[in-house]
Amino acid sequence: DAGITQSPRHKVTETGTPVTLRCHQTENHRYMYWYRQDPGHGLRLIHYSYGVKDTDKGEVSDGYSVSRSKTEDFLLTLESATSSQTSVYFCAISVGHQETQYFGPGTRLLVL
Amino acid sequence: DQQVKQNSPSLSVQEGRISILNCDYTNSMFDYFLWYKKYPAEGPTFLISISSIKDKNEDGRFTVFLNKSAKHLSLHIVPSQPGDSAVYFCAASPTSGTYKYIFGTGTRLKVLA
Repeated sequence: DAGITQSPRHKVTETGTPVTLRCHQTENHRYMYWYRQDPGHGLRLIHYSYGVKDTDKGEVSDGYSVSRSKTEDFLLTLESATSSQTSVYFCAISVGHQETQYFGPGTRLLVL
Repeated sequence: DQQVKQNSPSLSVQEGRISILNCDYTNSMFDYFLWYKKYPAEGPTFLISISSIKDKNEDGRFTVFLNKSAKHLSLHIVPSQPGDSAVYFCAASPTSGTYKYIFGTGTRLKVLA
C-alpha cells in the first residue's frame, strides 16, 4: 500500500461542466502522475508533476490541466468535460531509485 | 505509433501450468521495464521489474525475461493459479531519470481451475 487515495471514486457529470479529481499521498513522494485507462489503449499518461508547482504534459494532455500546491495533493481538472473524457483515471507516484510507480484505486468518470 | 506492444489481448491457461505473457517494444532507449497486474475496479499492482543490465529477474512464481536484441520481454507465471486471473500490463522507461513510463495495452489472463 503506497498510501494513495483518489476522490471521488465515481462521478457522473454532464458535457461542458468542469470536473476536478483529487489524488492524495501520505508519504511525500516527489513524483506524481495522472493516467487514463481506456479499452484498447492501456494506460496513457495525461500529466505528471516533479514537485510543488512543477508539472509537465504527458501524451494525452489536451483538455486537461493539473495543479500541485502541496506535496501530498495532485489535482486533475477537466475544464469543460466532453464524452471522450469518459474513462477510468488513475493517479500514481514514483518510489525508490528505480522509480517504480504505484497506483491509486482509480476514479471512474462518466460524461453524459 | 505504439512503442510498447502486447499483441495478445487474452490468454487462457489451465491451473498449475505455465502462463507466458509477452511484450515487445520499439525504442532501443528503453532500459527499465515493469509488469503490473490489474483486477477489475482496482488500481494496477506492481509485480516485478527488470533493468537492461539483466536478462532475467525472479520473484517467487513470477519471472521476467528480457531479450534486448529482439526488444522483447516476457513474464512467466509458474504454476498458474486462479487468483492470477487479471489483466497484465508491461511498461517501459528510457534511461533512469525521466520518471515516465509507456504502457502496453494489456493482456487478459484467465486461469482455468
